[in-house]
Amino acid sequence: GESVGLHLPTLSVQEGDNSIINCAYSNSASDYFIWYKQESGKGPQFIIDIRSNMDKRQGQRVTVLLNKTVKHLSLQIAATQPGDSAVYFCAENAGGTSYGKLTFGQGTILTVHP
Amino acid sequence: DTAVSQTPKYLVTQMGNDKSIKCEQNLGHDTMYWYKQDSKKFLKIMFSYNNKELIINETVPNRFSPKSPDKAHLNLHINSLELGDSAVYFCASSQEGRPDTDTQYFGPGTRLTVL
Repeated sequence: GESVGLHLPTLSVQEGDNSIINCAYSNSASDYFIWYKQESGKGPQFIIDIRSNMDKRQGQRVTVLLNKTVKHLSLQIAATQPGDSAVYFCAENAGGTSYGKLTFGQGTILTVHP
Repeated sequence: DTAVSQTPKYLVTQMGNDKSIKCEQNLGHDTMYWYKQDSKKFLKIMFSYNNKELIINETVPNRFSPKSPDKAHLNLHINSLELGDSAVYFCASSQEGRPDTDTQYFGPGTRLTVL
């Protein structure tokens, strides 16, 4: 069935390193992708999004890359900080009749060591 | 000035009971959602409402009934609670519910524990 998944469930990095979190999706009709960050005890928080007509989008310290050929999405965090420690989710929206419906991946736990 | 708020934050109850979780958003958004997050952190949409009208109704037991008295509120009522209902429930809202642009803003979650 249609799904969004992550290759690595956990990622541990040192403070100052760059982090890359990966996500694979299977629904070729998906046209909008979002990365969310969820800190312990809190709700998911929007980080960055990208539409299917783009292959790269940059924010503050974060970059999302989209490779539609292999249905792969990644989130790059530059100069990772302890405050970046959280669970990161990718989500997709297939558009069309999937009105506002996001399908979330399983999540990757990012741990940043000082 | 909380954007999306939920009450209660924690809810512990016995099997068979009926309980409600309330959600309010002050963002002026037209669309609200309920998600369930299981113990493995998997997030799955349950319902969405746009201007008080049900838009998304996933395969959820009919013991779960959302109610939207106005577009700023979306409450979730659960009848005959079961052990498997234990999870964290998140409310979210977005401007219009458009699939290609809207950011969904999440509440802090309600941790439901059924004993």
